[in-house]
Amino acid sequence: DGGITQSPKYLFRKEGQNVTLSCEQNLNHDAMYWYRQDPGQGLRLIYYSQIVNDFQKGDIAEGYSVSREKKESFPLTVTSAQKNPTAFYLCASNLQNTEAFFGQGTRLTVV
Amino acid sequence: AQRVTQPEKLLSVFKGAPVELKCNYSYSGSPELFWYVQYSRQRLQLLLRHISRESIKGFTADLNKGETSFHLKKPFAQEEDSAMYYCALIRTRNAGNNRKLIWGLGTSLAVNP
Repeated sequence: DGGITQSPKYLFRKEGQNVTLSCEQNLNHDAMYWYRQDPGQGLRLIYYSQIVNDFQKGDIAEGYSVSREKKESFPLTVTSAQKNPTAFYLCASNLQNTEAFFGQGTRLTVV
Repeated sequence: AQRVTQPEKLLSVFKGAPVELKCNYSYSGSPELFWYVQYSRQRLQLLLRHISRESIKGFTADLNKGETSFHLKKPFAQEEDSAMYYCALIRTRNAGNNRKLIWGLGTSLAVNP
């Protein structure tokens, strides 16, 4: 069953902790993306990767880090430097010139 | 700079009424445009793209280059159309490897019985 999977669905973090959100796809897509979705602010791009071992900052990269060691995986780390990390995070992937496929999302809450 | 504008945060219509979700873009080249939809408790998914020129779930969208618009229309709204709708653009010319989607802020459509 092909698709893009995010885990966990819900994540709680204490202040000052780093947490890593998982995103895996078996669609053989080259490009992967991380977005943050906040009410009234649409989708804001955090990081994206067009190819393995390469990634670029999006519009709101501060306080986040990523890696792309494998084509299938694009984990996002929310560091303690992110001042307002509570949000809904979406991962997506696509081939060039094609539609983006999204995961179910991870809701991160800082407690 | 490339930009996608959805002027309405919320659109409320009655069942059976026509609906139009507005999308305007700014881009000097020839863009590819998309509408994505996010139903409650479901993942964000593609609704339609302008190059396919098809109707999905009764929705259509025509690219108007003169008005730089890509409005989403449906003649008779249904309650199950209630969702969040996003308009998005991919640059096509001189984009190189930088072909990331540019998103509007979204319009929440509520279809009332």
